[in-house]
Amino acid sequence: DAKTTQPTSMDCAEGRAANLPCNHSTISGNEYVYWYRQIHSQGPQYIIHGLKNNETNEMASLIITEDRKSSTLILPHATLRDTAVYYCIVANGGSGSARQLTFGSGTQLTVLP
Amino acid sequence: DAGITQSPRHKVTETGTPVTLRCHQTENHRYMYWYRQDPGHGLRLIHYSYGVKDTDKGEVSDGYSVSRSKTEDFLLTLESATSSQTSVYFCAIAGVNQPQHFGDGTRLSIL
Repeated sequence: DAKTTQPTSMDCAEGRAANLPCNHSTISGNEYVYWYRQIHSQGPQYIIHGLKNNETNEMASLIITEDRKSSTLILPHATLRDTAVYYCIVANGGSGSARQLTFGSGTQLTVLP
Repeated sequence: DAGITQSPRHKVTETGTPVTLRCHQTENHRYMYWYRQDPGHGLRLIHYSYGVKDTDKGEVSDGYSVSRSKTEDFLLTLESATSSQTSVYFCAIAGVNQPQHFGDGTRLSIL
């Protein structure tokens, strides 16, 4: 699976949009981009994933560049509860296969009041 | 959350003793996974299952075994626990072509 590069930490003001970048320049054609977050010592929480089109759900938006070498997770109105470590993961999305997720160090997002 | 229950949630045991962690799901999902998380490391995959009695090794499988005799249960066994296996263990489940969802974790301390 392709490796990802994320900033170690970011701050965001409460109520503002949080934009978390991720580089995955070696991504291959059948690999998806997944985003998870981990709040304190809880289990990772799934946020969103995509292959090449932009995606949006109730939690966030995922913007993937046309060449698929980078992506941005957008939390539109960050709250204090969004303070967490955010992981960008690239994983094989073969139909019916067991996807093995490789977690890096992630980005520590701190939402400031 | 997501129909996953890990047990026990906390356990303290001694070196050399066997330990079994249980992951139970109510979602009837095909795939189940065991990860460990240590300070300075992201989650690392230990073993996974793609069906009843079908399992495979992950990145850090040495010292661990797994079993899945029913769809809903995935057991992780440390045959003879060592201090290096002190960690937080997370179970995850996934349906076909679905993202993984994680349990709340088991904090295991081996003295």
